[in-house]
Amino acid sequence: AQSVTQLGSHVSVSEGALVLLRCNYSSSVPPYLFWYVQYPNQGLQLLLKYTTGATLVKGINGFEAEFKKSETSFHLTKPSAHMSDAAEYFCAVILISNFGNEKLTFGTGTRLTIIP
Amino acid sequence: NAGVTQTPKFRILKIGQSMTLQCTQDMNHNYMYWYRQDPGMGLKLIYYSVGAGITDKGEVPNGYNVSRSTTEDFPLRLELAAPSQTSVYFCASSYSIRVGGSNGIQYFGAGTRLSVL
Repeated sequence: AQSVTQLGSHVSVSEGALVLLRCNYSSSVPPYLFWYVQYPNQGLQLLLKYTTGATLVKGINGFEAEFKKSETSFHLTKPSAHMSDAAEYFCAVILISNFGNEKLTFGTGTRLTIIP
Repeated sequence: NAGVTQTPKFRILKIGQSMTLQCTQDMNHNYMYWYRQDPGMGLKLIYYSVGAGITDKGEVPNGYNVSRSTTEDFPLRLELAAPSQTSVYFCASSYSIRVGGSNGIQYFGAGTRLSVL
């Protein structure tokens, strides 16, 4: 079975501070991993993804994530938080069904609050 | 670029009423999905489709039905609305990761906020 766990449903950081949002996955095969962001009253937008190749992935708005197979993690970071980063962030993994079909399984989300 | 379009944006239903949430995409994606989002619960997959005429259940299919007669459209049907179906519903679409290119990236609509009273 494949699943994804996000540690911390709420994270608060000061403006200019490091952002770290944690995501761990369980998968019996090499995973496809994603981070999505949801701004208030909007749909989800892709921040970044890991499929194969370089384990450090850079995304939009200064975010990046590192795939660590030994730790089964895909944590999202940003060196300096901006007020506009306040949103809900979802980690997700591609789940391959018994019929070979692909389903994206989401974590429960982390709400990021930026303190002025 | 329209992307994924959902209608309506908001709807209030009475218990027992039925309705169809519309979803259309203009990216020629083979995969389409319906999710519901409840506070603190993340997104739960209701149904998905791997192509026209082919659908499959997700995690929470009870109380819903879908059809996929064309590549572009993937409507979600609620037959007998219940208060437990009060939620925000998102439609999404993607290419298969096996196709390559966008590697499974899902594109989301803006959502439909549904209240059942």
